[in-house]
Amino acid sequence: DIQMTQSPSSLSASVGDRVTFACRASQTISSYLHWYQQKPGKAPKLLIYAASSLQSGVPSRFSGSGSGTDFTLTISSLQPEDFATYYCQQTYTTPHTFGQGTKLEIK
Amino acid sequence: EVQLVQSGAEVKKPGESLRISCKGSGYTFTNSWINWVRQMPGKGLEWVGKIGPSDSYTNYSPSFQGHVTISADKSISTAYLQWSSLKASDTGMYYCARHTTASLGMDVWGQGTTVTVSS
Repeated sequence: DIQMTQSPSSLSASVGDRVTFACRASQTISSYLHWYQQKPGKAPKLLIYAASSLQSGVPSRFSGSGSGTDFTLTISSLQPEDFATYYCQQTYTTPHTFGQGTKLEIK
Repeated sequence: EVQLVQSGAEVKKPGESLRISCKGSGYTFTNSWINWVRQMPGKGLEWVGKIGPSDSYTNYSPSFQGHVTISADKSISTAYLQWSSLKASDTGMYYCARHTTASLGMDVWGQGTTVTVSS
């Protein structure tokens, strides 16, 4: 199985900050990397697919980059509604493993 | 509107069987895969497996292989996740989610079904 490792596990930031999350795959996954946002009690929401493509309806302050094994999700200017947990997932091969998540908290 | 609607919360005893469902609407059901994802209380997301509704091809995570069965009835645009003998460790929230191709991610999610297994 491909292991997905996210860092950090948690992050404290303020409204207006620029934040970056990292996701590393244990072997190359090309660009088959997706980012999801999950708020408490809600289903996950797709933000970025194929490493850098913005899902329809997602604000442009979200962006993704990377290929191969190392990927990042960036929020350019944090808004109050962005405080949530973020997961990466690879669909290069099955099982389609998720990272353990990064919890973004208000400072 | 494209949506996946899941069946309601379940409370079961260890050893009992269970089938939960996920009904698609607003799109051609046979054009997309349906994935199942588990989230144990306070934990992260785990991919359980998926089914291709057009041919019912299934693929399971090794962690769940042999313990759950994924199926679909394309005539009613519904996918299922079932257990023949539940364990307390099956307690959690189960989401269904679709993807049309692996490169596009899982773009539509169900609202989740809570499964509680307790004696």
